[in-house]
Amino acid sequence: EAQVTQNPRYLITVTGKKLTVTCSQNMNHEYMSWYRQDPGLGLRQIYYSMNVEVTDKGDVPEGYKVSRKEKRNFPLILESPSPNQTSLYFCASSPRHNSPLHFGNGTRLTVT
Amino acid sequence: DQQVKQNSPSLSVQEGRISILNCDYTNSMFDYFLWYKKYPAEGPTFLISISSIKDKNEDGRFTVFLNKSAKHLSLHIVPSQPGDSAVYFCAASARRLSGGSNYKLTFGKGTLLTVNP
Repeated sequence: EAQVTQNPRYLITVTGKKLTVTCSQNMNHEYMSWYRQDPGLGLRQIYYSMNVEVTDKGDVPEGYKVSRKEKRNFPLILESPSPNQTSLYFCASSPRHNSPLHFGNGTRLTVT
Repeated sequence: DQQVKQNSPSLSVQEGRISILNCDYTNSMFDYFLWYKKYPAEGPTFLISISSIKDKNEDGRFTVFLNKSAKHLSLHIVPSQPGDSAVYFCAASARRLSGGSNYKLTFGKGTLLTVNP
């Protein structure tokens, strides 16, 4: 089944403890992106990747890092999480940029 | 500054009737528009899209209308079914501008549609 898989689905952590949210797609998509969804703010782009080893900042990149060493994986790294990063995170991919995005099922992160 | 606006947080309709979800945008560079549907505990799912060169696109029970002069688009669902109950997001991008760079979707805040049996 074609899908975007995120792990974990739920995560509660404490301020400053590094964490990684994994994202993997099995559709051989070139383009991948991370979004966060917050009440009253909709979905906002954090980082994106046009292809392997090509990544760049979206609208709200502060406090996040990403890497794209392989086509299928696009992990989101929070080096020192803070409470304002408590949010619902979505990974998405598409065959190429300018195609509709396929989203994962989300990761709900709580930072205390 | 919210570039994509969905002014109705919620909408309730009867099964079999038409559902009309509205979306307004402010950025005149947007030329590609999409609707996504989202169920609880799932990610958004692509529903239908429309390019700015068209004013209507239809896919089964779903039709999207685009009024460029008014910077307004709407999604019509006919007939509405209980399984259509979900949050609907309108999204837009500037494909002409993005070229070889970022393809970013700008999302509205969503409208919760409830279809009552």
